[in-house]
Amino acid sequence: GESVGLHLPTLSVQEGDNSIINCAYSNSASDYFIWYKQESGKGPQFIIDIRSNMDKRQGQRVTVLLNKTVKHLSLQIAATQPGDSAVYFCAENSGGSNYKLTFGKGTLLTVNP
Amino acid sequence: NAGVTQTPKFQVLKTGQSMTLQCAQDMNHNSMYWYRQDPGMGLRLIYYSASEGTTDKGEVPNGYNVSRLNKREFSLRLESAAPSQTSVYFCASTSTGGRSPLHFGNGTRLTVT
Repeated sequence: GESVGLHLPTLSVQEGDNSIINCAYSNSASDYFIWYKQESGKGPQFIIDIRSNMDKRQGQRVTVLLNKTVKHLSLQIAATQPGDSAVYFCAENSGGSNYKLTFGKGTLLTVNP
Repeated sequence: NAGVTQTPKFQVLKTGQSMTLQCAQDMNHNSMYWYRQDPGMGLRLIYYSASEGTTDKGEVPNGYNVSRLNKREFSLRLESAAPSQTSVYFCASTSTGGRSPLHFGNGTRLTVT
């Protein structure tokens, strides 16, 4: 079946650096993508989303890039802070059903002071 | 604004016992979901309710039942708990399913011995 995956399971960066978290998807019919942040002991928290008719979307300190040619999604965090340390998940809606998101396994981001 | 509230936060069951996990949202969302999260795996959909009065199976429904009690509440029941159901359970909701962000609760950590 179709699945969402991550290139890097862990990422360690210095405070103040920019972080890039990657995600590969295999279903070319996917038309909606979301990034979530999950801190220890908490539920996933919505960060940013993007529809397939866009290549880039910016939020506060975060940017999501979508490359449909190679089925790749990335999350860029500018000026990474210790509070950004968490597990980051991407998720996709494949379009086969309006009500189901498929989640990747997550990348652990650690920010060193 | 509480968002999505789950109870209980922690629970320990013996094999064969039953219990119901409660979920309520105060955002007037139409769609509600139950996911489980296991180490090394992404969030997996158990059941969902696209709208009040409807429920459907997700990826891993075996051993579970759900009830959409009203628009606010969506419960998950384990009739006869098994050790394989040891997991963290998350409830989520969204206004329009599939192409809008899910809002998650903080989870119920269940251990079945």
